[in-house]
Amino acid sequence: GQQVMQIPQYQHVQEGEDFTTYCNSSTTLSNIQWYKQRPGGHPVFLIQLVKSGEVKKQKRLTFQFGEAKKNSSLHITATQTTDVGTYFCAGTSGTYKYIFGTGTRLKVLA
Amino acid sequence: ETGVTQTPRHLVMGMTNKKSLKCEQHLGHNAMYWYKQSAKKPLELMFVYNFKEQTENNSVPSRFSPECPNSSHLFLHLHTLQPEDSALYLCASSLGQVNQPQHFGDGTRLSIL
Repeated sequence: GQQVMQIPQYQHVQEGEDFTTYCNSSTTLSNIQWYKQRPGGHPVFLIQLVKSGEVKKQKRLTFQFGEAKKNSSLHITATQTTDVGTYFCAGTSGTYKYIFGTGTRLKVLA
Repeated sequence: ETGVTQTPRHLVMGMTNKKSLKCEQHLGHNAMYWYKQSAKKPLELMFVYNFKEQTENNSVPSRFSPECPNSSHLFLHLHTLQPEDSALYLCASSLGQVNQPQHFGDGTRLSIL
């Protein structure tokens, strides 16, 4: 079945450093979503990417969808302590069934 | 306030008990979902409802029984659960089933003794 893997599983960074998490699917995706889950919280929708090669920015966050639509990345520039949490990608192959990635847990050291 | 309310927030039950989890959304959405989140595992989709009709059952054991009386309410009935069913159960809703962001509730932390 379809699998969505994320790397790294954990990342500790100093405040001000950059951070990137990568999402890889075993199948071609029709679109991909990104969510953030704070410790003790619930996943919160960040963004959706649909087009091959699409790049979207939200302030310090840059999201990219691969040309082959099988991978995606989230890059955070100059991390802040408020960026702490687990970042999940979720992809679908054209149905309403989203497969969530394994998540990347980010810790930011002040 | 996410617009998706789950009750109870915490539940401890024995393996022979019967209990229900409740989810209510105030966002006017038509699709509702149940997910299971265990430690060190990705979110697992359990059930999907669209306009009250079940559209997905992701091979979930029959000891979990969903109910969707209307587009705003979703229940998960539990009976004779196993210790490995201990997890965070998250409810989500979306405007439609396809290409729509999902809005999650705070979840119910379930512990099976």
